[in-house]
Amino acid sequence: EDQVTQSPEALRLQEGESSSLNCSYTVSGLRGLFWYRQDPGKGPEFLFTLYSAGEEKEKERLKATLTKKESFLHITAPKPEDSATYLCAVRNDRDDKIIFGKGTRLHILP
Amino acid sequence: NAGVMQNPRHLVRRRGQEARLRCSPMKGHSHVYWYRQLPEEGLKFMVYLQKENIIDESGMPKERFSAEFPKEGPSILRIQQVVRGDSAAYFCASSPQMGSYTFGSGTRLTVV
Repeated sequence: EDQVTQSPEALRLQEGESSSLNCSYTVSGLRGLFWYRQDPGKGPEFLFTLYSAGEEKEKERLKATLTKKESFLHITAPKPEDSATYLCAVRNDRDDKIIFGKGTRLHILP
Repeated sequence: NAGVMQNPRHLVRRRGQEARLRCSPMKGHSHVYWYRQLPEEGLKFMVYLQKENIIDESGMPKERFSAEFPKEGPSILRIQQVVRGDSAAYFCASSPQMGSYTFGSGTRLTVV
C-alpha cells in the first residue's frame, strides 16, 4: 500500500533560521512527488513536482529535493509569512490519484 | 482563468439532512478529485471522476455518499442523512491528464 510519512509534525523556527522538512514515501512506481502549502482555512497551493531521484526545484526560499525513498523541503532564511502547513504527496503508476501525508505545521517566529 | 470554484464555503446541516457540495473545475481540466480533511489529519482521497464517469471511488464510504460529474455543470458530492462524524472540510481538485492538482478553497461542513 502506498504510504507517505512526514516529519516533524510541527516545527517552530526563528526568522532566518534555516531547516528542512522530511517526506518519506513507499510507492509502487513513483509517477511524481508533490509539495503543497496550505494556509488555515484555505485549500492547498501547489509548490513543486519532482519525478526522479536527484531532481531539485527551487522557488524563492524553498528548495525541494528527491531521493529514491524520501524528499526534503529545505527552507532558507524563512520569514513569518512562510508559516503554513506543508503537505507532501505521491502519485503511483497504477492509477491517477495522489496520496497525501499528514503535513508539517511550520511556524516562523519574528 | 478562474481557479477551482467550490460552493458553498460553509454549510451547516442538522443530523439526518442532505448535504450537496459543488465543484467547478478549472477551464480545460477534465479530471476532478474529492478529498476530505479532518483537523490534524491529512487529506484523504474520496473519489476521482471524469465527465460522466466515476473512475475510482475507493475512498468513498459505501453508504450515504455519492458523487457525479455530469456532461454539463459542476461536480457534485452528495451526503445523505448526515451524521456528526461527517463534519469536515471537503476539498475538490482538478487537473489535466496526469498533471498536478489545483485545489479549490473547500467547503466546511458542520453537522449539528
